[in-house]
Amino acid sequence: DSGVTQTPKHLITATGQRVTLRCSPRSGDLSVYWYQQSLDQGLQFLIQYYNGEERAKGNILERFSAQQFPDLHSELNLSSLELGDSALYFCASSARPAPSTDTQYFGPGTRLTVL
Amino acid sequence: GESVGLHLPTLSVQEGDNSIINCAYSNSASDYFIWYKQESGKGPQFIIDIRSNMDKRQGQRVTVLLNKTVKHLSLQIAATQPGDSAVYFCAENSDTGNQFYFGTGTSLTVIP
Repeated sequence: DSGVTQTPKHLITATGQRVTLRCSPRSGDLSVYWYQQSLDQGLQFLIQYYNGEERAKGNILERFSAQQFPDLHSELNLSSLELGDSALYFCASSARPAPSTDTQYFGPGTRLTVL
Repeated sequence: GESVGLHLPTLSVQEGDNSIINCAYSNSASDYFIWYKQESGKGPQFIIDIRSNMDKRQGQRVTVLLNKTVKHLSLQIAATQPGDSAVYFCAENSDTGNQFYFGTGTSLTVIP
């Protein structure tokens, strides 16, 4: 158990809908990262937050957004969902923000299925 | 942009044998590398890391080798066990980079 929690574990929804994925980092970690993992794809970095502020953006679509709250949990919002958004979404946390080489600890993921 | 790739997408080994999983990276500025293990239905789990000022690092039953000349990273698992069956990812970053880059993964299957 990495100490990172994610909810829900599974999510099934329809195209055009909007969903929110939630992540709680390990105790003491201030940085949260979101990743997308599609079939046959590696982990694609989406976005990073540190202590409530956005620090880095990766391959995140404009239809996606995220935020980190004062209690350090983070939410990833996915809107106008398309079939291609079906994937595993992982949250990871680390003590210090990138750029740093602190190990990132991953949560169990949320499996999103868009029908 | 940076890319991290794996030479072999699948690998099958006999229980008790040693496994070697390879990874190539393209960013010569990368100076920190991690191997992750991802079991079915779970998130990636940290296995071992190595910095660019080293060429070898050992853990419990695992060894990571780094060849900066050819930008190649490998993970060796000794006496592979059924519980080692998983997908293994390498990831790379640098002290100036704002994100880790992950390979697509190698699926390791251990045959009892």
